Amino acid sequence: DGGITQSPKYLFRKEGQNVTLSCEQNLNHDAMYWYRQDPGQGLRLIYYSQIVNDFQKGDIAEGYSVSREKKESFPLTVTSAQKNPTAFYLCASSTGHRRTEAFFGQGTRLTVV
Amino acid sequence: AQKITQTQPGMFVQEKEAVTLDCTYDTSDPSYGLFWYKQPSSGEMIFLIYQGSYDQQNATEGRYSLNFQKARKSANLVISASQLGDSAMYFCAMREVTNAGKSTFGDGTTLTVKP
Repeated sequence: DGGITQSPKYLFRKEGQNVTLSCEQNLNHDAMYWYRQDPGQGLRLIYYSQIVNDFQKGDIAEGYSVSREKKESFPLTVTSAQKNPTAFYLCASSTGHRRTEAFFGQGTRLTVV
Repeated sequence: AQKITQTQPGMFVQEKEAVTLDCTYDTSDPSYGLFWYKQPSSGEMIFLIYQGSYDQQNATEGRYSLNFQKARKSANLVISASQLGDSAMYFCAMREVTNAGKSTFGDGTTLTVKP
């Protein structure tokens, strides 16, 4: 079955550590996105990529980094520079066309301990 | 300026009744798409319905319909015959052609269906 897989589902990070969230899709979608969601709030765009080896900053990119070396994969690294990383992170993909919806992964809940 | 506004943080509806969730948007792009997603407590985002800016008719998908009023820049979601499983958070989103395929989301409306 086609879809998006995010791992891990839960992640705990000590202060000062970098952590990487995995996102893999087998939908053959060109575009991939990372969103952050805080409790009771909407989704805010962190980074997005429309094609392999290219990505752009979203609205809240500071403290995060990404790579897009393969079409299927778009990992997100939460660096120690991100001062408040505790949140729910959602990865999505789409064809990029305005008429097609985004498909989302199950999300990763990151907690700083 | 916020591009998607959902003014109802929380809504209640009786089981089997209809409910309307409001969404207004702001864009200068003549070509855009509007989406509604459902997010249950598990966190996954489920696509519900889509409306294109050039579509002449309001979109419908089963119990979901979209009341699209282009001049007012509103795209309200109507859920008919509410079920207990409809209790979730609902997000309105917009994708503009000139915005590199990015979607902008509203802050969401939490819907609670009462038995």
